[in-house]
Amino acid sequence: DVKVTQSSRYLVKRTGEKVFLECVQDMDHENMFWYRQDPGLGLRLIYFSYDVKMKEKGDIPEGYSVSREKKERFSLILESASTNQTSMYLCASRTGTSGRGEQFFGPGTRLTVL
Amino acid sequence: SQQGEEDPQALSIQEGENATMNCSYKTSINNLQWYRQNSGRGLVHLILIRSNEREKHSGRLRVTLDTSKKSSSLLITASRAADTASYFCATDAQHAGNMLTFGGGTRLMVKP
Repeated sequence: DVKVTQSSRYLVKRTGEKVFLECVQDMDHENMFWYRQDPGLGLRLIYFSYDVKMKEKGDIPEGYSVSREKKERFSLILESASTNQTSMYLCASRTGTSGRGEQFFGPGTRLTVL
Repeated sequence: SQQGEEDPQALSIQEGENATMNCSYKTSINNLQWYRQNSGRGLVHLILIRSNEREKHSGRLRVTLDTSKKSSSLLITASRAADTASYFCATDAQHAGNMLTFGGGTRLMVKP
């Protein structure tokens, strides 16, 4: 059973804290993605990675960074959390082979920044 | 940037009725996918239709694709209360690398 897991379902942090969101996939996928989801704005891509140590900015990378040291793990880092980063964060992975099928999503982390 | 746009944004129907959701997009695609999201959870893949396909079925789901109009529709037949969720289309565009681009979603409520 394929699986994408995220380190926390709910997280509460204070303004200015450094926040780490972890994502692990067990499907040996090359591509991994971080989205945030806000009411009325749909899914917005923050960063993605197509290989170990490789990263690309998505639509809204400001205030975020990422790390991919191992193929199965993709971390999202909020260097100094702010209240406007309160959101639902979704991680996903996808194969890199031709055919380019579906994305598999984690359960999401609902982050609240106070 | 959102390529797909769903219509309607919200839909409320009675159990047993059919639900139709539409998606429009802007550029050439390799495939188009539909996902479902239960409240507060991650997205789950429902169905993928390739650019050279016109219609695809999976259980009570029927997806059509019209590449000339750059549009797709998702039909859920004989809806159930358990179908209550948000539904998103996602496009795999020909020049978008390995990324999918998601629309804003349709919130479906099926009343028992």
